[in-house]
Amino acid sequence: DAGVIQSPRHEVTEMGQEVTLRCKPISGHNSLFWYRQTMMRGLELLIYFNNNVPIDDSGMPEDRFSAKMPNASFSTLKIQPSEPRDSAVYFCASSLARLAGNYNEQFFGPGTRLTVL
Amino acid sequence: TQLLEQSPQFLSIQEGENLTVYCNSSSVFSSLQWYRQEPGEGPVLLVTVVTGGEVKKLKRLTFQFGDARKDSSLHITAAQPGDTGLYLCAGFHFNTDKLIFGTGTRLQVFP
Repeated sequence: DAGVIQSPRHEVTEMGQEVTLRCKPISGHNSLFWYRQTMMRGLELLIYFNNNVPIDDSGMPEDRFSAKMPNASFSTLKIQPSEPRDSAVYFCASSLARLAGNYNEQFFGPGTRLTVL
Repeated sequence: TQLLEQSPQFLSIQEGENLTVYCNSSSVFSSLQWYRQEPGEGPVLLVTVVTGGEVKKLKRLTFQFGDARKDSSLHITAAQPGDTGLYLCAGFHFNTDKLIFGTGTRLQVFP
């Protein structure tokens, strides 16, 4: 079975350029999460969706970041304009949110390593 | 902001040694998970602990959730080189799917 798919795996861009990261969650999962991982700040939640609706975007650093989930099988994270401090590994994860309890397993993709020069 | 502090930050040991990783917070979590992450990959779930005081074993790994649900520990017996990786604890806010990840413990086990 395919896991969470992210593209591209690596992205190198110049400051000021637009960057779009893509994610395909596991089929049947109804929650999707975008994380950013750096050595300094660890793994941080940026935004998460439930049934394609953004639930919590309090982790999105600033207006330069935006995320969409047009359907259950696709999500994008866009940075415009990009800055060197955005360099990090960006992970997408999905889970099947149950009605009772909130300890669902999140399945992570392999990540996109972004370098902004 | 709820923080999960892990200690130690780095751990380098010989094969066969035992070790314990700690995950501490001033906040109460409804449940806590432990993940392991290998280079170039995303984190993979190892275990979920839900009840205060709960102990779970996964082969040579023993996980414990603190009685007050603010802290957790991971103990590895007779570490193997295959245990090498980044260990992350993560706590759930009550009634949400939002996970707060710990600061991480990077473990290196030498043959």
